[in-house]
Amino acid sequence: QKEVEQDPGPLSVPEGAIVSLNCTYSNSAFQYFMWYRQYSRKGPELLMYTYSSGNKEDGRFTAQVDKSSKYISLFIRDSQPSDSATYLCAMTRNQAGTALIFGKGTTLSVSS
Amino acid sequence: GAVVSQHPSWVICKSGTSVKIECRSLDFQATTMFWYRQFPKQSLMLMATSNEGSKATYEQGVEKDKFLINHASLTLSTLTVTSAHPEDSSFYICSARDRLATHEQYFGPGTRLTVT
Repeated sequence: QKEVEQDPGPLSVPEGAIVSLNCTYSNSAFQYFMWYRQYSRKGPELLMYTYSSGNKEDGRFTAQVDKSSKYISLFIRDSQPSDSATYLCAMTRNQAGTALIFGKGTTLSVSS
Repeated sequence: GAVVSQHPSWVICKSGTSVKIECRSLDFQATTMFWYRQFPKQSLMLMATSNEGSKATYEQGVEKDKFLINHASLTLSTLTVTSAHPEDSSFYICSARDRLATHEQYFGPGTRLTVT
């Protein structure tokens, strides 16, 4: 079993839809959870960053972490064509210098 | 926001030559930088972790003599692909961890390497 599992998709939705992206993980030591957005042939861009369990909202984006279920989600409201990209979840333990463990990424396409 | 640059953004080289890729944190100090490789439609695969002033730590299966990493300052790390072969063609991305916010990583724009 991989440490972080993420359905690669692709996921296609119409403009304005609510998008739900998810990752599961196996290592209960993970404390910090991130979502990155990557456009084609570009480096990943940090979207959301959450510590431990709970919700975090930033504009149209909401990140949720459920540590009891080892499950994290990213919700995108009112999706736009510009949201079309690959979304990568990433997580790390509570130790400085520890590398991020990434999911495979989910490719999202929002059609106008 | 934190900015990480990479140079070059795209390079083509002949088989057997060496290529150096630079990664710079522009507005923050990075005690740790990471080098990733990404093949088409695949996720990022960590190659090595680089701490300023010390030797890099390589992931299993990554040849340290082929992928030379130098992290000489708090804002610069370099990856040199030695004796490149076509199978080394990939997208190489660095990230830097802010010294003051150790759990966040900021990624560079990536370098596309094509070995002919």
